[in-house]
Amino acid sequence: EIVMTQSPATLSVSLGERATLSCRASQSVSSNLAWYQQKPGQAPRLLIYGASTRATGIPARFSGSGSGTEFTLTISSLQSEDFAVYYCQQYNNWLWTFGQGTKVEIK
Amino acid sequence: QVQLQESGPGLVKPSETLSLTCTVSGGSISSYYWSWIRQPPGKGLEWIGYIYYSGSTNYSPSLKSRVTISVDTSKNQFSLKLSSVSAADTAMYYCARGRTLTGYYVHDYWGQGTLVTVSS
Repeated sequence: EIVMTQSPATLSVSLGERATLSCRASQSVSSNLAWYQQKPGQAPRLLIYGASTRATGIPARFSGSGSGTEFTLTISSLQSEDFAVYYCQQYNNWLWTFGQGTKVEIK
Repeated sequence: QVQLQESGPGLVKPSETLSLTCTVSGGSISSYYWSWIRQPPGKGLEWIGYIYYSGSTNYSPSLKSRVTISVDTSKNQFSLKLSSVSAADTAMYYCARGRTLTGYYVHDYWGQGTLVTVSS
């Protein structure tokens, strides 16, 4: 089973600043990597799939990169609505696994 | 607009079987994967398993021995059974639609979740 490790666990960022979140897979997942955003009391929302493609309706300030085992989610200029928990998720060999999440909080 | 709604008991006794149903509206259950995903209070997401509309299934290795997912296409529903539950199974349970987007597998629609507490 592939293990996804996200870092840091918590990221403190000021409004308007850039946030960079990392996700590492225990073995290559090619580009089968997605990112989700979850706000308190809500279900997760798909942000990025295929490591770098924004889902429908996702603002351009969200971008994803990476392949193989190392992936990054970047939020170029944090808005108030972006403070949330972000999860990476991989799909490989008919199994899905999630990372443990990175909480982006206001500095 | 596709909507998913979980339903089932909010309280289950230890050693018993947890049973939940997800009703899909606004779209057909055909041609997609249908997952159950859970989240213990204050913790991260854990994928439990999925069923394809045709009935084929795949489960998380860590839960495989206790999980059964089934589908009823006539009702546009799919269901989760988790046996021999313990307090560690207390969580928010989400149902979600899985699909491929340009060849990549994602969960694009989610239910709002239902909290299941395991306690005597």
